[in-house]
Amino acid sequence: GEDVEQSLFLSVREGDSSVINCTYTDSSSTYLYWYKQEPGAGLQLLTYIFSNMDMKQDQRLTVLLNKKDKHLSLRIADTQTGDSAIYFCAENREGYQKVTFGTGTKLQVIP
Amino acid sequence: KAGVTQTPRYLIKTRGQQVTLSCSPISGHRSVSWYQQTPGQGLQFLFEYFSETQRNKGNFPGRFSGRQFSNSRSEMNVSTLELGDSALYLCASSPSIGWADTQYFGPGTRLTVL
Repeated sequence: GEDVEQSLFLSVREGDSSVINCTYTDSSSTYLYWYKQEPGAGLQLLTYIFSNMDMKQDQRLTVLLNKKDKHLSLRIADTQTGDSAIYFCAENREGYQKVTFGTGTKLQVIP
Repeated sequence: KAGVTQTPRYLIKTRGQQVTLSCSPISGHRSVSWYQQTPGQGLQFLFEYFSETQRNKGNFPGRFSGRQFSNSRSEMNVSTLELGDSALYLCASSPSIGWADTQYFGPGTRLTVL
């Protein structure tokens, strides 16, 4: 199908780890992205992973990619209240000049 | 470097009217893409302009159009507005066409159609 799927909502306590999951559609996707959107703002690129990688770590962020299951996850360590936002995964299909976004996961961090 | 700017930030129109939204990319960026964000449909690609030419287009009706100027600034126009056009319209700029480079998003224009 055409949809990149994410769970709608995630609630975690401050200091805990958050894991946001995404199922994408095309096993030939070259790049997979994670974007963050805060209220009233545009999208901010957090990180991306190339399809030939299994894992990428960038400070508090860890991206895991399972190509067999077309599953992408974003782990945020030591989650802070400032991490409260909507997180979008996106895939760039090889040969396509555009990207398909997931439905977005709203992360709520409880102090 | 200044980020992507969009004007206006908020807009209220009535059905049947037309609207023009503006996007100024990051200096040096030649690609501008437009997206529509709604609670029901999520983020959907409208079109991309590069060097004043539309290079890619999403699945939107002809009422949605755009253009890009020689300074890379872009405008998006929606004619004969419908209630369903109420959305956050985001533009993104990039040095290169498509997603070869990272796209940087503006804050968006919130359009409400009454």
